[in-house]
Amino acid sequence: KNEVEQSPQNLTAQEGEFITINCSYSVGISALHWLQQHPGGGIVSLFMLSSGKKKHGRLIATINIQEKHSSLHITASHPRDSAVYICAARGVFGNEKLTFGTGTRLTIIP
Amino acid sequence: AAGVIQSPRHLIKEKRETATLKCYPIPRHDTVYWYQQGPGQDPQFLISFYEKMQSDKGSIPDRFSAQQFSDYHSELNMSSLELGDSALYFCASSRDGNYGYTFGSGTRLTVV
Repeated sequence: KNEVEQSPQNLTAQEGEFITINCSYSVGISALHWLQQHPGGGIVSLFMLSSGKKKHGRLIATINIQEKHSSLHITASHPRDSAVYICAARGVFGNEKLTFGTGTRLTIIP
Repeated sequence: AAGVIQSPRHLIKEKRETATLKCYPIPRHDTVYWYQQGPGQDPQFLISFYEKMQSDKGSIPDRFSAQQFSDYHSELNMSSLELGDSALYFCASSRDGNYGYTFGSGTRLTVV
């Protein structure tokens, strides 16, 4: 069992739909990152969360520390949102490397 | 704002050759992390440095070595390259472990 698991692995939706990607982790963390990676491209950090909720534009990320669960939501999805979204758990102090989830490949159809 | 700079962006090497990848962190960031992402795979942690000392080590082959220099930039040296080393290598930097990671765009290494 992976320490960080995401669902779904693949998601195809119509433009304008509300998107939710889930992440569960089994390790102690100091923070959870949501990352975006376009095909062949580098990684862009979307959010770093240690509690509660963050919003940036059409993106919202939430985390429930007790349940060890985080979600990434995209409102009014657009074809340019098509990418792989990765959650990554950051270890506790002294062990701050990231453990990556398997990623969710999102495709938004016009 | 300055970002994490990696060079080169693309690199093609033959088997058994050596390669050196460079990572320049954001100013005042003292920690650098290296990750390897094979085709269709999750990124895997290789190694990290804090204040020029190795702070953690992951699944880095013995053929690879890395160091962090006095200006905090880091280099990943890869010798006796194998076809399986073809991957996207990206680094990230942070400060004191208390700030968010910032990722570089990565170096895509192709071994032929």
